[in-house]
Amino acid sequence: EVQLVESGGGLVQPGGSLRLSCAASGSTFSSYWMHWVRQAPGKGLVWVSRIDTDGSTTNYADSVKGRFTISRDNAKNTLYLQMNSLRVEDTAVYFCGRDLSGRYDNWGQGTLVTVSS
Amino acid sequence: DIVMTQSPLSLPVTPGEPASISCRSSQSLLHSNGNIFLAWYLQKPGQSPQVLIYLGSNRASGVPDRFSGSVSGTDFTLKISRVEAEDVGVYYCMQALQTPYTFGQGTKLEIK
Repeated sequence: EVQLVESGGGLVQPGGSLRLSCAASGSTFSSYWMHWVRQAPGKGLVWVSRIDTDGSTTNYADSVKGRFTISRDNAKNTLYLQMNSLRVEDTAVYFCGRDLSGRYDNWGQGTLVTVSS
Repeated sequence: DIVMTQSPLSLPVTPGEPASISCRSSQSLLHSNGNIFLAWYLQKPGQSPQVLIYLGSNRASGVPDRFSGSVSGTDFTLKISRVEAEDVGVYYCMQALQTPYTFGQGTKLEIK
């Protein structure tokens, strides 16, 4: 069973940047599309971005387009989310997910990003 | 974007009784490959979400058989045959047919 571990969250001022990482166990990381999903405090789940198996295709929610960049390093079994020009409304727990036939079969514990002055 | 609408948003249930959650999509979730790209998740208090049902009606590995999913056009239903105390949390439906993937608002199940 694959395990996902997110890291890189923290407190950042509006306009600042952070890079999140998602480390995946197992040898099949490169075979799956990967996603980021976020959850603001006390709120529901919101899809953020996805990337295909070799990184050539990416998609973004309109709310983050042009500010966030998803990428992956299959040699390191790691997914990234570079977040620039952060806003207060980006405050959330960020989860990574492996797309298995239209479902996220495993979720990590998430990493908390707090954007505040 | 595909809009997912869940009901009810709050669901108090007596242990041992059945429960049902509805989800409606604003357009068909039928893929050209014949699959319905609808999944159900449960987020227990203080935990990350976990998948219950995928492709509309397939129970995920390790999920008790008291959970079931059904599909009727753009209407989706998650049923729990006999609610147990460990089933408390927020249930979400999610469409994975096209980006942006979208979730329902969530249904909070609590024990009476």
